[in-house]
Amino acid sequence: GEDVEQSLFLSVREGDSSVINCTYTDSSSTYLYWYKQEPGAGLQLLTYIFSNMDMKQDQRLTVLLNKKDKHLSLRIADTQTGDSAIYFCAENRGYSTLTFGKGTMLLVSP
Amino acid sequence: KAGVTQTPRYLIKTRGQQVTLSCSPISGHRSVSWYQQTPGQGLQFLFEYFSETQRNKGNFPGRFSGRQFSNSRSEMNVSTLELGDSALYLCASSAGQGLIEQFFGPGTRLTVL
Repeated sequence: GEDVEQSLFLSVREGDSSVINCTYTDSSSTYLYWYKQEPGAGLQLLTYIFSNMDMKQDQRLTVLLNKKDKHLSLRIADTQTGDSAIYFCAENRGYSTLTFGKGTMLLVSP
Repeated sequence: KAGVTQTPRYLIKTRGQQVTLSCSPISGHRSVSWYQQTPGQGLQFLFEYFSETQRNKGNFPGRFSGRQFSNSRSEMNVSTLELGDSALYLCASSAGQGLIEQFFGPGTRLTVL
């Protein structure tokens, strides 16, 4: 199919790790992205990974990329209540077009 | 460095009217993209401008149009508004010809009554 797929909802306890998964579609996508959206706000770029990489770490965030399965994941270590938001993965299908998943709502409980 | 700014933040219009939304990219950025976000369809690409030229266009009717000025500021226009045009319209800017980091503004919330 043509859709970028994400699970809709994830609930974790504060201090646990969160793993948000995404399946993308275009094997020629050069960059893959994770964005965060809080209520009433725009999208905040969290991190991105180039398609020839397997992993990228940025402080509490770890991105894993499995090109064979077209699978992307975002791991948030030591999840905090402030991490509660909707997380979008997106792929760059060329030029400047980003194709987004429907988003995963992350709820972090104290 | 100031981020992407969008005006107005909120708009209420009635069916049949037209609307113009404005986006000022990050200083030095030459590419501006527009996206529509709705609960049903999610985030959908509208169009992208680079150096005043539309480089790419999404699958939206001709009622949706845009332009970019020499200072990289961009406007999008929606004519003959329909109820289904109610959405959050997001603008994003990036630096150069190759899209790597794309930064989003806070959006304009359009409600069509």
